[in-house]
Formats: sequence, C-alpha cells, structure tokens
Amino acid sequence: EVQLVESGGGLVQPGRSLKLSCLASGFTFSNYGMNWIRQAPGKGLEWVASISSSSSYIYYADTVKGRFTISRDNAKNTLYLQMTSLRSEDTALYYCARQGGFERAFAYWGQGTLVTVSS
Amino acid sequence: DTVLTQSPALAVSPGERVSISCRASEGVNSYMHWYQQKPGQQPKLLIYKASNLASGVPARFSGSGSGTDFTLTIDPVEADDTATYFCQQSWNDPRTFGGGTKLELK
Repeated sequence: EVQLVESGGGLVQPGRSLKLSCLASGFTFSNYGMNWIRQAPGKGLEWVASISSSSSYIYYADTVKGRFTISRDNAKNTLYLQMTSLRSEDTALYYCARQGGFERAFAYWGQGTLVTVSS
Repeated sequence: DTVLTQSPALAVSPGERVSISCRASEGVNSYMHWYQQKPGQQPKLLIYKASNLASGVPARFSGSGSGTDFTLTIDPVEADDTATYFCQQSWNDPRTFGGGTKLELK
C-alpha cells in the first residue's frame, strides 16, 4: 500500500524558514516523480513544486520560486520542501503527492502538514 | 497559466445522475484529471486522462471530454459521494486545478 506521511509543519513568523518532509513507503520511491501541493484554509489546490525521480528536473510555481527548494533523498525514501522568507499567504495545508504515469496526474496523496505563517 | 472553471456547487438526490463540468481557458488535449476530496481528507484521484478510471474507483464514476470541455459523471449518486470535486490539467505548465465543485446530497 502506498503511504506518504508529511511532517515538519507548524506556526512560524513571517520571514522565517521551515522544512517539510514526506516519508514514502509501499512503492519504489526512486522510480517516481514527486510533488508538493498546497491548500489554503477553505480554498482550492495549488501545485507548488515537482522533482523528477533522479532530481534531474525541478520545477516551481511562480509564487514560490526563489523562496522554496524541493529535494529528495532516494536512499531515505524522503521528499523535502525547504521554505524560506515565508509570507502569510503561504499559510496552507501542504500535501506531498506521487506522480502517476506519463499523464502527470497526482496519483497518491499524503494527509498533509499544516503551515501557519503569522506573527 | 491555464485557468480551469468549475461551477461552485451542485445538489442532487441519491440515485440520480450528476454531471460536473470543467472548462479550460486553452486546450489541454485529453490531459484532464479528476479528484474527490471529502471533508478533512486529502484529495483522491478518480479519473486520469479524461476518461480512465483510477484503481479502486467504482464504475459509477466516469469522465469524458477533450480540448477545453470536460465532464465528470456520477451515476447513480450515493450518499457517500458528498465531497468537493476538482479537475486538474497537466498538458500545459504549470499544472493547474479548478476551483472545485461541492456536491451536496438532498
């Protein structure tokens, strides 16, 4: 069974940093592209960043480019999101999601970790 | 960015058929996917590439469309289908989501 478990969320002041983790199990992590997707409270979904299976290709949404860094450690089956210069508008539930196949759908999602940016 | 437009809400009675629409601001070929999100839960993939049922999803769910107009159909609707349904395209970068359609049961 595919499992994705996010951690690292919490309350952080504007301008500070936070690092999220996503521990994967139930599949061969090194074979799949991975993504971070966020959902502000009561709002819709926003793709944040993606990374290919070998970290060769990395993409960011314009809203986080230059502030967030996605990375992965295939030996540890773990996906990361380093977030810096956090803003109130970054407040959201952050989901880790595994790529499907070539169609680039988000086939499996974790439960999410909540990031609240507030003074 | 490709904007996906969905109706905000629908209300139907159990046993009925419901169609949820998603319109893209530009063509996305058949690269449209549908997700179900129940309150307090993560989204779940229902349909990929417009019409392909994801693993474990009941055959009551189906998808259709291509280009800019897509539809998710549930027939028949069951009480457990109360949720918000999101469309998402992956033809154009960045990948974008619709605003979601909240399905309520009468």
